Amino acid sequence: DIQMTQSPSSLSASVGDRVTITCRASQGIRNDLGWYQQKPGKAPKRLIYAASSLQSGVPSRFSGSGSGTEFTLTISSLQPEDFATYYCLQHNSYPPVFGGGTKVEIK
Amino acid sequence: EVQLVESGGGLVKPGGSLRLSCAASGFTFSSYSMNWVRQAPGKGLEWVSSISSSSSYIYYADSVKGRFTISRDNAKNSLYLQMNSLRAEDTAVYYCARDPNDERQPIDYWGQGTLVTVSS
Repeated sequence: DIQMTQSPSSLSASVGDRVTITCRASQGIRNDLGWYQQKPGKAPKRLIYAASSLQSGVPSRFSGSGSGTEFTLTISSLQPEDFATYYCLQHNSYPPVFGGGTKVEIK
Repeated sequence: EVQLVESGGGLVKPGGSLRLSCAASGFTFSSYSMNWVRQAPGKGLEWVSSISSSSSYIYYADSVKGRFTISRDNAKNSLYLQMNSLRAEDTAVYYCARDPNDERQPIDYWGQGTLVTVSS
């Protein structure tokens, strides 16, 4: 099975900061990766698909990059509503695997 | 508008059984593969099972293989998860989630989840 290592597991940041989250795959997954945002008590929401394609309706401050084994999610200017937990998901092969999550907290 | 509504969660004793349902609307259910994903309290997301649009292809996580059975009824726009031999570690919120009709894309829509608690 492919393993997804997400880092950091948590971070503290201020409104307006640039934030970067990384996911590394244990083997190449092309660009078969998505990023999700989850707020407490809510279902995840897809932000990015195909590693770098922005989901319709998602603010342009969110961006994704990478291919193969290393991927990043960047929030260019953190907003109050962005404080949440973020997960990557590889869907290149079964089983689909989520990263461990990154909790973005207010500094 | 795509809607996925889970039901059937609750408290069950270890070794017991439970059947989850997911009612789908707002899209042509019979054309989409579907998934169950779970999240233990305070933990991350874990994929559980997938079923293709016509039920031809079914996959399970190793952690549930042999105990859980995924199924669907396209005439009723419904997805199911039969859970047997439940263990404490199966305690989680279970989400029904849709796969887009595009293999380049991962899960796009999620239900609100239903809580399963396995405890004596």
